Amino acid sequence: NAGVTQTPKFQVLKTGQSMTLQCAQDMNHNSMYWYRQDPGMGLRLIYYSASEGTTDKGEVPNGYNVSRLNKREFSLRLESAAPSQTSVYFCASSESPGSPQPQHFGDGTRLSIL
Amino acid sequence: AQKITQTQPGMFVQEKEAVTLDCTYDTSDPSYGLFWYKQPSSGEMIFLIYQGSYDQQNATEGRYSLNFQKARKSANLVISASQLGDSAMYFCAMREPSFSGGYNKLIFGAGTRLAVHP
Repeated sequence: NAGVTQTPKFQVLKTGQSMTLQCAQDMNHNSMYWYRQDPGMGLRLIYYSASEGTTDKGEVPNGYNVSRLNKREFSLRLESAAPSQTSVYFCASSESPGSPQPQHFGDGTRLSIL
Repeated sequence: AQKITQTQPGMFVQEKEAVTLDCTYDTSDPSYGLFWYKQPSSGEMIFLIYQGSYDQQNATEGRYSLNFQKARKSANLVISASQLGDSAMYFCAMREPSFSGGYNKLIFGAGTRLAVHP
C-alpha cells in the first residue's frame, strides 16, 4: 500500500537553483497539499489543490509554484532556491473538502539549500 | 484568525502510565475538525484521532482518547498505558473552513515531544 509517495527523499541545492518536488497518491483522493516543516515548528501549508484543476495559496506560498498534473499527482516547484527554503517538505492528500477523513502524508523530502 | 496552541514543548512519562498532551484552539467558526498526529524520529506523520466540532462523544481510538471541551476550546490527547514506542512528537491540528465553502486546510500547533521512560 503506497499511499502518498514523494520524490526525492533528500536533496541539496545551491542558492538560485531550481527544482521540482514530486508527489503522487494512489488513494483516489480529490484534495492534495504541500506543507513545510521547520525546526521547532508545526507544519505550515504552502499550497493546496481542493480538486483536479484547482490550486490555491496556503499560509506561506512565496517562492513556490505548484501544478496539479492530474488527480494523482501534485508537484511543488522552487524556481530560484533560497537558504530560507531549507526545510522538510510534506505532501498530503485527503478524500475531499468537507470530508472528516484525515489527510494522509508522504514521508517527506529533506531539502537543504546552501 | 484560527490558531492552535500546544503549551508543552516536552513531556516525560513512565512506561505503562497515562499521559495527557494539551491542545487549545481558537476559531470563530462553529464547524471545524480537530486532529492529532504522531511524528516519530523517522519523520513520517501518522494520523491518530479525529474530533468533529459537532460530535457529541469524545473520540477514542485504542489507547488514544481525545478530551474535547468545546467551551474551553481545548482538545487534549490522552494516551493510556504508555509504551516505549509512543516516544515521538505529537501535533494537534485544526481543519478550518475554506473560503470556497469546503474544509481544506490544516493548521498545526508547534508540537509536544513525548519521551516514555522504562
